[in-house]
Amino acid sequence: EAGVTQFPSHSVIEKGQTVTLRCDPISGHDNLYWYRRVMGKEIKFLLHFVKESKQDESGMPNNRFLAERTGGTYSTLKVQPAELEDSGVYFCASSQGRGSGGNTIYFGEGSWLTVV
Amino acid sequence: AQSVAQPEDQVNVAEGNPLTVKCTYSVSGNPYLFWYVQYPNRGLQFLLKYITGDNLVKGSYGFEAEFNKSQTSFHLKKPSALVSDSALYFCAVRALTGANNLFFGTGTRLTVIP
Repeated sequence: EAGVTQFPSHSVIEKGQTVTLRCDPISGHDNLYWYRRVMGKEIKFLLHFVKESKQDESGMPNNRFLAERTGGTYSTLKVQPAELEDSGVYFCASSQGRGSGGNTIYFGEGSWLTVV
Repeated sequence: AQSVAQPEDQVNVAEGNPLTVKCTYSVSGNPYLFWYVQYPNRGLQFLLKYITGDNLVKGSYGFEAEFNKSQTSFHLKKPSALVSDSALYFCAVRALTGANNLFFGTGTRLTVIP
């Protein structure tokens, strides 16, 4: 079974440019999450989809970040325009079921974003 | 509010010795607790979790963790460390009710010395 896959694995962009990160969750997983780790800091929650609906987007830092999950399958996270402080690793994760906090959340390899 | 503390940024241990990576948590009500590992240039890999039942949880690669409710701790342990265990370890908590997302600690870098 394929795990959570993310693309691109690495991206270097200039300040002010746009970057779109893609995540394909594990097949059949309704829950999809985006997390971010800025260098040396804790991994922070960004948002949570249940199928195509945004369940919780309380962690999104500002309106330069836009996440979508069309059709409840893959998800994209767009940063526009990118700022220097957006540099970090963006993790996508998925899990089965609804409302069951005990379900394991499986993470992808991460998309490493550097804004210069 | 939910939070996790990993008091040690770095843990060094000799190969073959037991290792402990510490984690304490704060959450309203009963917690779900998780450990993840990140090997160099890789993603987060699930190690083990505590949901309910036996306080001692066994996971992948010989790791185990003990849930201690009175001390609000969930320390990760392994009886005999391997050089290949060297990695970044993250503890995470999720409450039984409310938000479905994980709250992570800042991570502990484990180095196993040959």
